[in-house]
Amino acid sequence: DSGVTQTPKHLITATGQRVTLRCSPRSGDLSVYWYQQSLDQGLQFLIQYYNGEERAKGNILERFSAQQFPDLHSELNLSSLELGDSALYFCASSVGASTYNEQFFGPGTRLTVL
Amino acid sequence: QQQVKQSPQSLIVQKGGISIINCAYENTAFDYFPWYQQFPGKGPALLIAIRPDVSEKKEGRFTISFNKSAKQFSLHIMDSQPGDSATYFCAAVGGGADGLTFGKGTHLIIQP
Repeated sequence: DSGVTQTPKHLITATGQRVTLRCSPRSGDLSVYWYQQSLDQGLQFLIQYYNGEERAKGNILERFSAQQFPDLHSELNLSSLELGDSALYFCASSVGASTYNEQFFGPGTRLTVL
Repeated sequence: QQQVKQSPQSLIVQKGGISIINCAYENTAFDYFPWYQQFPGKGPALLIAIRPDVSEKKEGRFTISFNKSAKQFSLHIMDSQPGDSATYFCAAVGGGADGLTFGKGTHLIIQP
């Protein structure tokens, strides 16, 4: 168990809808990363927050947004969902802001868009 | 553009054999190369990592070999066990890229 929790485990929704995925980092970790895992694209970095502030952006669509709250949990918001957004979404946490710090991954949220 | 290319996509090895997974990168500014192991239903977990100033790193049955001039690195699993059956991802850090840049993964099956 990595100590990172993600809810919900599974989410099924329809095209055009909006969903929110939640992540609680390991105790003491200040950074939260979001990744998308799909069969064709593999694991792709979406965005990083450090201590409440956005630190880095990867291949995140404009329809997607995230935030990190004062208690350090993070939420990933996906809107105007398309079939192609179906994927596993992982969050990871690390102690510092640097990507060189070990990242601990949660169990993921499987999103299915019908 | 795929910055880290991983092969093979899938691999079947007999118990006790050596499993070898290869990765190649293009961005010469990458300077940290971790490998992640992922079991079904779980998130990836760091297995072993190497910096390009060394050519090899060994931790138990797992060894990373690194060839800086060829921009290639590989994971060797010695005495492979059924419990090693998982998906393995190589990754790269640095070069101005944010987050981990992953290869597409290798699905490894160790047959008893």
